[in-house]
Amino acid sequence: AQSVSQHNHHVILSEAASLELGCNYSYGGTVNLFWYVQYPGQHLQLLLKYFSGDPLVKGIKGFEAEFIKSKFSFNLRKPSVQWSDTAEYFCAVNARAAGNKLTFGGGTRVLVKP
Amino acid sequence: NAGVTQTPKFQVLKTGQSMTLQCAQDMNHNSMYWYRQDPGMGLRLIYYSASEGTTDKGEVPNGYNVSRLNKREFSLRLESAAPSQTSVYFCASGIELTAREPQHFGDGTRLSIL
Repeated sequence: AQSVSQHNHHVILSEAASLELGCNYSYGGTVNLFWYVQYPGQHLQLLLKYFSGDPLVKGIKGFEAEFIKSKFSFNLRKPSVQWSDTAEYFCAVNARAAGNKLTFGGGTRVLVKP
Repeated sequence: NAGVTQTPKFQVLKTGQSMTLQCAQDMNHNSMYWYRQDPGMGLRLIYYSASEGTTDKGEVPNGYNVSRLNKREFSLRLESAAPSQTSVYFCASGIELTAREPQHFGDGTRLSIL
């Protein structure tokens, strides 16, 4: 089945460490890619999105993601995390092959220790 | 700016009871969605409405019904609640089903079925 996979379910790191969260999808053709963040007790908020153009996209709060078409990947990165980055992160793909509906990965819980 | 408003925020039901989750958006969006969020599984689409007057099944529609009451409102009904429906439910809206713009999410309804 076509899907969106996030490799890490839980990540624990210290403040100032670098963060990279993996996301792979299996849809061919045109895709629109998103990373959402869910802070504890809150709703999902958009971190960044990729539709076309420069495959390196920058989002809010110092996050960036790189689209590698040949690898069907859209990994999220942040060079130096803060305690306030503790949250769950979701990769999502909107693909024409999936009827343009948004498909989410399973999420990665990130805990940043002060 | 209210965005997407969901009611109630919390609910406890007994097996077999029915209830309706309400969702309203004030962004003049055409498409609306209901997701459920379960640990490790990300968000899974239950039903969606591409436009007023239309509804379609998503990935996990069994046990649910929906009504797109008007352009603003999209309700989710559990006719006979089951413990497997214990979850956090999110409503979302988007400009169009085929749009590249991200969806906007409500704060969620935490539902427990005993």
